[in-house]
Amino acid sequence: GAGVSQSPSNKVTEKGKDVELRCDPISGHTALYWYRQSLGQGLEFLIYFQGNSAPDKSGLPSDRFSAERTGGSVSTLTIQRTQQEDSAVYLCASSSQGYEQFFGPGTRLTVL
Amino acid sequence: RKEVEQDPGPFNVPEGATVAFNCTYSNSASQSFFWYRQDCRKEPKLLMSVYSSGNEDGRFTAQLNRASQYISLLIRDSKLSDSATYLCVVTRGRGGSYIPTFGRGTSLIVHP
Repeated sequence: GAGVSQSPSNKVTEKGKDVELRCDPISGHTALYWYRQSLGQGLEFLIYFQGNSAPDKSGLPSDRFSAERTGGSVSTLTIQRTQQEDSAVYLCASSSQGYEQFFGPGTRLTVL
Repeated sequence: RKEVEQDPGPFNVPEGATVAFNCTYSNSASQSFFWYRQDCRKEPKLLMSVYSSGNEDGRFTAQLNRASQYISLLIRDSKLSDSATYLCVVTRGRGGSYIPTFGRGTSLIVHP
Protein backbone atom coordinates (compact mmCIF):
# COMPACT_ATOMS: atom_id res chain seq x y z
CA GLY A 1 0.00 0.00 0.00
CA ALA A 2 0.91 3.65 -0.13
CA GLY A 3 1.59 3.94 3.57
CA VAL A 4 1.30 2.28 6.94
CA SER A 5 -2.27 1.54 7.89
CA GLN A 6 -3.69 0.69 11.29
CA SER A 7 -7.04 -0.58 12.43
CA PRO A 8 -9.24 0.19 14.14
CA SER A 9 -8.70 3.95 14.23
CA ASN A 10 -10.60 4.15 17.49
CA LYS A 11 -11.41 1.49 20.06
CA VAL A 12 -13.46 1.90 23.20
CA THR A 13 -13.51 -1.07 25.51
CA GLU A 14 -14.42 -1.97 29.03
CA LYS A 15 -11.86 -2.68 31.69
CA GLY A 16 -10.92 -6.35 31.72
CA LYS A 17 -11.64 -7.01 28.05
CA ASP A 18 -9.02 -8.06 25.53
CA VAL A 19 -8.25 -5.92 22.48
CA GLU A 20 -6.36 -6.58 19.29
CA LEU A 21 -4.75 -3.82 17.25
CA ARG A 22 -3.58 -4.31 13.69
CA CYS A 23 -0.80 -2.78 11.65
CA ASP A 24 -0.17 -3.12 7.92
CA PRO A 25 3.34 -1.85 7.14
CA ILE A 26 4.65 -0.51 3.88
CA SER A 27 5.30 -3.36 1.49
CA GLY A 28 8.91 -4.48 1.59
CA HIS A 29 9.75 -2.88 4.92
CA THR A 30 11.41 -5.51 7.08
CA ALA A 31 11.38 -3.56 10.34
CA LEU A 32 8.19 -2.85 12.25
CA TYR A 33 7.80 -0.97 15.52
CA TRP A 34 5.01 -0.47 18.02
CA TYR A 35 4.85 2.60 20.26
CA ARG A 36 2.25 4.11 22.49
CA GLN A 37 1.69 7.75 23.29
CA SER A 38 -0.38 9.03 26.16
CA LEU A 39 -1.94 12.48 25.94
CA GLY A 40 0.76 15.15 26.00
CA GLN A 41 3.53 12.61 26.43
CA GLY A 42 6.36 11.35 24.24
CA LEU A 43 6.49 8.09 22.33
CA GLU A 44 7.00 5.01 24.46
CA PHE A 45 8.73 2.16 22.61
CA LEU A 46 6.93 -1.18 23.01
CA ILE A 47 8.38 -3.76 20.64
CA TYR A 48 10.38 -4.11 17.45
CA PHE A 49 10.15 -6.76 14.73
CA GLN A 50 12.80 -7.64 12.19
CA GLY A 51 10.97 -9.86 9.76
CA ASN A 52 8.81 -12.12 11.90
CA SER A 53 11.08 -12.18 14.91
CA ALA A 54 11.08 -9.72 17.78
CA PRO A 55 14.65 -9.13 18.91
CA ASP A 56 13.58 -6.38 21.28
CA LYS A 57 10.52 -6.75 23.49
CA SER A 58 11.97 -4.65 26.25
CA GLY A 59 9.30 -1.98 26.06
CA LEU A 60 6.26 -4.18 26.67
CA PRO A 61 4.89 -2.85 29.98
CA SER A 62 3.53 -6.13 31.31
CA ASP A 63 2.76 -9.72 30.38
CA ARG A 64 -0.73 -8.58 29.38
CA PHE A 65 0.86 -7.18 26.23
CA SER A 66 1.93 -9.39 23.35
CA ALA A 67 2.58 -8.93 19.66
CA GLU A 68 3.15 -11.06 16.66
CA ARG A 69 4.01 -10.60 13.03
CA THR A 70 3.30 -13.09 10.30
CA GLY A 71 4.66 -13.38 6.79
CA GLY A 72 6.99 -10.48 7.44
CA SER A 73 4.06 -8.16 6.98
CA VAL A 74 0.97 -7.62 9.16
CA SER A 75 1.43 -7.29 12.88
CA THR A 76 -1.05 -7.48 15.71
CA LEU A 77 -0.66 -6.08 19.19
CA THR A 78 -2.85 -7.77 21.79
CA ILE A 79 -3.66 -6.36 25.19
CA GLN A 80 -5.33 -8.77 27.57
CA ARG A 81 -7.47 -7.77 30.54
CA THR A 82 -7.22 -4.09 29.65
CA GLN A 83 -6.77 -1.53 32.39
CA GLN A 84 -7.59 2.17 32.35
CA GLU A 85 -3.90 3.05 32.26
CA ASP A 86 -3.68 1.28 28.90
CA SER A 87 -5.64 4.15 27.36
CA ALA A 88 -3.38 5.81 24.81
CA VAL A 89 -2.71 6.14 21.10
CA TYR A 90 -0.92 3.06 19.79
CA LEU A 91 1.33 3.88 16.85
CA CYS A 92 2.92 1.48 14.42
CA ALA A 93 5.86 2.36 12.18
CA SER A 94 7.81 0.50 9.53
CA SER A 95 11.18 1.11 7.95
CA SER A 96 13.90 -0.30 5.81
CA GLN A 97 16.81 -1.24 8.01
CA GLY A 98 18.14 1.71 9.94
CA TYR A 99 16.43 4.36 7.87
CA GLU A 100 13.50 6.66 8.48
CA GLN A 101 10.36 5.29 10.00
CA PHE A 102 6.97 5.80 8.45
CA PHE A 103 4.16 5.93 10.94
CA GLY A 104 0.59 4.84 10.65
CA PRO A 105 -2.24 7.10 11.86
CA GLY A 106 -2.51 5.20 15.13
CA THR A 107 -5.26 3.49 17.08
CA ARG A 108 -6.81 5.54 19.87
CA LEU A 109 -7.65 3.13 22.68
CA THR A 110 -9.97 4.16 25.47
CA VAL A 111 -10.53 1.80 28.39
CA LEU A 112 -13.58 2.68 30.44
CA ARG B 1 20.25 10.33 32.51
CA LYS B 2 17.67 9.76 29.79
CA GLU B 3 18.95 8.32 26.54
CA VAL B 4 17.63 11.25 24.50
CA GLU B 5 16.81 14.57 26.11
CA GLN B 6 15.07 17.63 24.74
CA ASP B 7 13.87 20.87 26.24
CA PRO B 8 10.07 20.44 26.16
CA GLY B 9 9.46 24.17 25.70
CA PRO B 10 7.10 25.55 24.61
CA PHE B 11 9.06 27.94 22.46
CA ASN B 12 6.73 30.83 21.68
CA VAL B 13 8.06 32.96 18.80
CA PRO B 14 6.68 35.55 16.36
CA GLU B 15 6.45 34.89 12.65
CA GLY B 16 9.76 35.50 10.93
CA ALA B 17 11.85 34.63 13.96
CA THR B 18 14.75 32.22 13.99
CA VAL B 19 14.52 29.46 16.57
CA ALA B 20 16.90 26.64 17.51
CA PHE B 21 16.35 23.39 19.35
CA ASN B 22 18.97 21.12 20.85
CA CYS B 23 18.83 17.46 21.68
CA THR B 24 21.41 15.50 23.66
CA TYR B 25 21.96 11.76 23.60
CA SER B 26 23.81 9.52 26.00
CA ASN B 27 24.88 6.54 23.88
CA SER B 28 28.10 7.31 22.02
CA ALA B 29 27.50 4.27 19.79
CA SER B 30 24.43 5.91 18.25
CA GLN B 31 24.52 5.77 14.49
CA SER B 32 21.63 7.60 12.87
CA PHE B 33 19.92 10.82 13.80
CA PHE B 34 16.66 12.36 12.70
CA TRP B 35 14.25 15.17 13.40
CA TYR B 36 10.55 14.34 13.19
CA ARG B 37 7.63 16.70 13.36
CA GLN B 38 4.36 15.83 15.08
CA ASP B 39 1.25 17.92 14.71
CA CYS B 40 -1.43 17.83 17.37
CA ARG B 41 -3.26 14.47 17.38
CA LYS B 42 -1.33 13.31 14.32
CA GLU B 43 1.41 10.76 13.77
CA PRO B 44 5.08 11.81 13.63
CA LYS B 45 6.53 12.49 10.20
CA LEU B 46 10.16 12.74 9.17
CA LEU B 47 11.38 16.32 8.87
CA MET B 48 14.99 15.60 8.04
CA SER B 49 17.88 13.26 8.66
CA VAL B 50 20.94 14.68 10.38
CA TYR B 51 24.37 14.11 8.89
CA SER B 52 27.78 14.68 10.41
CA SER B 53 28.56 17.39 7.91
CA GLY B 54 25.34 19.21 8.68
CA ASN B 55 22.51 19.57 6.23
CA GLU B 56 20.03 22.15 5.12
CA ASP B 57 16.56 21.91 3.63
CA GLY B 58 15.09 25.28 2.82
CA ARG B 59 14.53 27.14 6.08
CA PHE B 60 15.65 24.17 8.16
CA THR B 61 19.23 23.35 9.13
CA ALA B 62 20.27 20.30 11.13
CA GLN B 63 23.66 19.70 12.70
CA LEU B 64 25.31 16.85 14.57
CA ASN B 65 28.11 17.19 17.10
CA ARG B 66 29.34 13.68 17.90
CA ALA B 67 32.03 14.86 20.31
CA SER B 68 29.49 16.60 22.51
CA GLN B 69 26.70 14.16 21.65
CA TYR B 70 24.05 16.58 20.58
CA ILE B 71 22.05 17.44 17.50
CA SER B 72 20.40 20.71 16.67
CA LEU B 73 17.62 22.03 14.49
CA LEU B 74 17.51 25.63 13.31
CA ILE B 75 14.38 27.08 11.77
CA ARG B 76 14.71 30.42 9.99
CA ASP B 77 11.91 32.79 9.04
CA SER B 78 9.33 30.89 11.14
CA LYS B 79 5.86 30.41 9.68
CA LEU B 80 2.60 29.88 11.51
CA SER B 81 2.52 26.42 9.95
CA ASP B 82 5.76 25.51 11.71
CA SER B 83 3.82 25.25 14.99
CA ALA B 84 4.20 21.64 16.06
CA THR B 85 6.20 19.36 18.33
CA TYR B 86 9.68 18.51 17.08
CA LEU B 87 11.00 15.09 18.04
CA CYS B 88 14.65 14.18 18.14
CA VAL B 89 15.35 10.55 17.22
CA VAL B 90 18.58 8.66 17.78
CA THR B 91 19.09 5.17 16.41
CA ARG B 92 21.62 2.63 17.57
CA GLY B 93 22.48 -0.71 16.09
CA ARG B 94 22.47 -3.79 18.28
CA GLY B 95 23.03 -7.27 16.97
CA GLY B 96 21.73 -6.39 13.52
CA SER B 97 18.74 -4.51 14.89
CA TYR B 98 18.22 -0.79 14.67
CA ILE B 99 16.48 0.59 17.69
CA PRO B 100 15.29 4.21 17.52
CA THR B 101 14.87 6.22 20.68
CA PHE B 102 12.60 9.25 20.59
CA GLY B 103 13.00 12.32 22.70
CA ARG B 104 9.85 13.65 24.34
CA GLY B 105 9.72 16.51 21.88
CA THR B 106 10.02 20.28 21.88
CA SER B 107 6.86 22.27 21.37
CA LEU B 108 7.00 25.27 19.03
CA ILE B 109 4.28 27.89 18.82
CA VAL B 110 4.62 30.52 16.11
CA HIS B 111 2.28 33.48 16.59
CA PRO B 112 1.34 36.34 14.25
